[in-house]
Amino acid sequence: EDKVVQSPLSLVVHEGDTVTLNCSYEVTNFRSLLWYKQEKKAPTFLFMLTSSGIEKKSGRLSSILDKKELFSILNITATQTGDSAVYLCAVRNYGGATNKLIFGTGTLLAVQP
Amino acid sequence: ETGVTQSPTHLIKTRGQQVTLRCSSQSGHNTVSWYQQALGQGPQFIFQYYREEENGRGNFPPRFSGLQFPNYSSELNVNALELDDSALYLCASSWQGSTEAFFGQGTRLTVV
Repeated sequence: EDKVVQSPLSLVVHEGDTVTLNCSYEVTNFRSLLWYKQEKKAPTFLFMLTSSGIEKKSGRLSSILDKKELFSILNITATQTGDSAVYLCAVRNYGGATNKLIFGTGTLLAVQP
Repeated sequence: ETGVTQSPTHLIKTRGQQVTLRCSSQSGHNTVSWYQQALGQGPQFIFQYYREEENGRGNFPPRFSGLQFPNYSSELNVNALELDDSALYLCASSWQGSTEAFFGQGTRLTVV
């Protein structure tokens, strides 16, 4: 059965800290891995990764994929209170419904002032 | 704002009742997928609609059904509600074959 596992489940840091969120997966016919930020309701798209070793970067956030070891990390540097959210990792595979995303349970990040 | 709108935002129903949730997809998007997110869990794929037909389904019983209309908007219907159906229901829209899906704000359903 396809699955996505995220760690840690929750994390409390202080402003300015750097955090690393982990996502491992076991899916058939891997196509892409996506990261979302969920603050209240709607998950908002952060990154999509399809190739190993190529870092995607957006401001203080960056992410990389390792298709050999089947995991991805999401880094956030110089954290701010506005980074507090649930970070979701999801995998899409080939075949079946185009937009079927297999999500992990998420990592709850709390950034304290 | 993603342009995907869902209604209602909150809903309370009694066990055994039926409910209909609605989703208007982002302009130009022809594919809609629905997810159920229980508290503390990641979203779980329910099904997807493309060209008014279901073209993919997750592990949900038949009492979860849907529709897609010619304007690409969609409905999720749940019959014989159970307490465990209490969750946030998310709708996502995209172009068929696109790599990115945009989520709406969700409908919080509480079954009592």
